[in-house]
Amino acid sequence: GAGVSQTPSNKVTEKGKYVELRCDPISGHTALYWYRQSLGQGPEFLIYFQGTGAADDSGLPNDRFFAVRPEGSVSTLKIQRTERGDSAVYLCASSPTSGGFNEQFFGPGTRLTVL
Amino acid sequence: QKEVEQNSGPLSVPEGAIASLNCTYSDRGSQSFFWYRQYSGKSPELIMSIYSNGDKEDGRFTAQLNKASQYVSLLIRDSQPSDSATYLCAVLYSGAGSYQLTFGKGTKLSVIP
Repeated sequence: GAGVSQTPSNKVTEKGKYVELRCDPISGHTALYWYRQSLGQGPEFLIYFQGTGAADDSGLPNDRFFAVRPEGSVSTLKIQRTERGDSAVYLCASSPTSGGFNEQFFGPGTRLTVL
Repeated sequence: QKEVEQNSGPLSVPEGAIASLNCTYSDRGSQSFFWYRQYSGKSPELIMSIYSNGDKEDGRFTAQLNKASQYVSLLIRDSQPSDSATYLCAVLYSGAGSYQLTFGKGTKLSVIP
């Protein structure tokens, strides 16, 4: 596709459940970033991939959060034992190269609601 | 501690006026700075980047950087109602092979027709 896509666009789950959020970056973009945006806040960095490897996962809040990018393209953010505080919009972005923020594009986001 | 501070607003300006948005950051070693626009319910889109002290102009937008004061600003000339959005300041922290953008909370701008 022409842009970054994310699925699902909305996800409602119950406290304690497991969720997976998918990001499909722009074709050829090697760098992929996950952010979380809570209401009234700016995006908060979670994790950054260069190719298949997580180059920096220092933003993941705890070990309930995990992300993979096994083939260097699509990435999945996984949240175990969801909590109400995990409710937010999860944004994915990609860029052609690491640090190429002038060419970084965001996806539309997945709105996660934990009841 | 990586911090980026913005006045959350809302900032209201009449149509045709200049809107001035400000941002301060904590890491004196930062080299790259970005302004994003985010419409309600949408994802952020990059509108300006700046790396050197001084002004950088792009159409109706001017970004200003003062590294000594750790201060970045965005001026929007001839403001239009379509400029009404939240403006996010972001600072790049890089090192040890990582590239991490830290965002401010954003300033909500309303342009009144």
